[in-house]
Amino acid sequence: DQQVKQNSPSLSVQEGRISILNCDYTNSMFDYFLWYKKYPAEGPTFLISISSIKDKNEDGRFTVFLNKSAKHLSLHIVPSQPGDSAVYFCAASEYGGTYKYIFGTGTRLKVLA
Amino acid sequence: GAVVSQHPSWVICKSGTSVKIECRSLDFQATTMFWYRQFPKQSLMLMATSNEGSKATYEQGVEKDKFLINHASLTLSTLTVTSAHPEDSSFYICSAVLAGVETQYFGPGTRLLVL
Repeated sequence: DQQVKQNSPSLSVQEGRISILNCDYTNSMFDYFLWYKKYPAEGPTFLISISSIKDKNEDGRFTVFLNKSAKHLSLHIVPSQPGDSAVYFCAASEYGGTYKYIFGTGTRLKVLA
Repeated sequence: GAVVSQHPSWVICKSGTSVKIECRSLDFQATTMFWYRQFPKQSLMLMATSNEGSKATYEQGVEKDKFLINHASLTLSTLTVTSAHPEDSSFYICSAVLAGVETQYFGPGTRLLVL
């Protein structure tokens, strides 16, 4: 039972354009969502998070949107840079950012120069 | 700040041996640490929650007698894979919680290969 899903296993975007990564969840108890970036054989690096009381959070080139009614969140990266190429995981938690996370399946982003 | 280290970064062992993986929070105290496992091209799966001074809480399907977790101090949690078998070969990642910060900080991971 995959509670957090990322339906696009891969995405290619031209440098300078917008990258949109999507994530869907089924558990209505989730109240905190995060995006992590991961390179092979390394641990995930935190990018941005959002609480369920918000519908948008922005940090530099990264913006996360949350649609609770649709149980959907997305990460926008603009402008995309070649250094953004990595695997992106969304994660969800029932009790904020310090509780256990359920990770999505990941989306491999490739930004083409 | 908020650096988490893991040791070793990779290990190869024979089937039937036990392997210990350390997770350390280098510049902060972590009352809670988590252990995840990632198989190739798959997601990170939570194995257990480790709280300092108490028994770990294991996720459904994770054998507590096989994956021994000890969180003896506020900066160190260990995961011991007992009697390792080839199917235990995976990438093991720990994370730590910094009080007052709503996120987990992840270690670099440990790749285990059981022959």
